[in-house]
Amino acid sequence: AQRVTQPEKLLSVFKGAPVELKCNYSYSGSPELFWYVQYSRQRLQLLLRHISRESIKGFTADLNKGETSFHLKKPFAQEEDSAMYYCALIPAGGTSYGKLTFGQGTILTVHP
Amino acid sequence: GAGVSQSPRYKVAKRGQDVALRCDPISGHVSLFWYQQALGQGPEFLTYFQNEAQLDKSGLPSDRFFAERPEGSVSTLKIQRTQQEDSAVYLCASSPWGGEQPQHFGDGTRLSIL
Repeated sequence: AQRVTQPEKLLSVFKGAPVELKCNYSYSGSPELFWYVQYSRQRLQLLLRHISRESIKGFTADLNKGETSFHLKKPFAQEEDSAMYYCALIPAGGTSYGKLTFGQGTILTVHP
Repeated sequence: GAGVSQSPRYKVAKRGQDVALRCDPISGHVSLFWYQQALGQGPEFLTYFQNEAQLDKSGLPSDRFFAERPEGSVSTLKIQRTQQEDSAVYLCASSPWGGEQPQHFGDGTRLSIL
């Protein structure tokens, strides 16, 4: 069975500092990986996904299959980045229907 | 509608009561998922529908949990004889056709069992 681990429950940085939210996964096949974000009083929403390889709101995430990691990075954090971030996995393949396995989440606080 | 809608937003019930939680997915979305999120945890999968067919219910914690989507649109999650450990946020998500498609989440229903 697949598993997603986010080792940091809380992460605090100052505005303008780089930020990295860690995500490690265990899965025997090739997964599709996502970062979801939940801002205060808002619903859970997709931030970015591995397959699209794009930068959203200045965030990027690189899949490292050797280390089974999908860390989320941003070079200069902004106060509006403060939120709960979840790393999630879908097993890829023809029989997959998209069941997400989530990590426990990391609360990011960006101080002014 | 513009997004996934869930009702009620908050539900308080006494232990032993039955509850029903509703999810209106985005119109036309084939896939519908239910997740349970306990306090301080990430969402955990409960069950999956493709149209009206319930293809996976492996995440339902016990036979007190029952979900349906009879016409392939609105879904209801029912919990019978509620217990305190059922207290959680119940999230519904839909996607156009499942697979690796991004899921769109509702605001959730926060269930508190007294």
